[in-house]
Amino acid sequence: LAKTTQPISMDSYEGQEVNITCSHNNIATNDYITWYQQFPSQGPRFIIQGYKTKVTNEVASLFIPADRKSSTLSLPRVSLSDTAVYYCLVGVPPFSSGSARQLTFGSGTQLTVLP
Amino acid sequence: SQTIHQWPATLVQPVGSPLSLECTVEGTSNPNLYWYRQAAGRGLQLLFYSVGIGQISSEVPQNLSASRPQDRQFILSSKKLLLSDSGFYLCAWSLDRTFVNYGYTFGSGTRLTVV
Repeated sequence: LAKTTQPISMDSYEGQEVNITCSHNNIATNDYITWYQQFPSQGPRFIIQGYKTKVTNEVASLFIPADRKSSTLSLPRVSLSDTAVYYCLVGVPPFSSGSARQLTFGSGTQLTVLP
Repeated sequence: SQTIHQWPATLVQPVGSPLSLECTVEGTSNPNLYWYRQAAGRGLQLLFYSVGIGQISSEVPQNLSASRPQDRQFILSSKKLLLSDSGFYLCAWSLDRTFVNYGYTFGSGTRLTVV
């Protein structure tokens, strides 16, 4: 299993860009990198996923260097409602063939956006 | 569209009592199903996963068990709850063919307090 390491917490102000980095030194060739957002007492919500280079969607960008040993989630112009825990996840789920690569969630990064 | 239902939302149970949490998925077939637990202020711990009816894999040996009696139904059970079983339980699903780009989809969770 690819273990991930993220900062425990980060503070930012409204309107700023926030970058959260995740280390995953043991990432395997088939592993994808997925980021989730979780609000208190809710299930995590998929934000973005990537394999290499850069991925962008309507809410975030994901930067992955060539060696894939880390990744950075970038949130442009955060607002108070972006205060949440952000999880970096590396791996692929089990497939019907029975292979059992599991996805392990670390402790995540608590992002607090201040006014 | 696919939806995931998880109930109850909150539950308070005495030590030694049984437990049954249910999760159902609509709008898809043959999903991979997962049970996660989150202790207060901690990350998500994978408890069980299932790739098909009657197929259950356990990640952590403990006081809990899981069953999948139907394709889109996943049940988490215990015969005798312990205080340490308290936590936030999350059901999730994924499809092999859509995990890339969409990842996991989580339910809204069950807050279990064992007293």
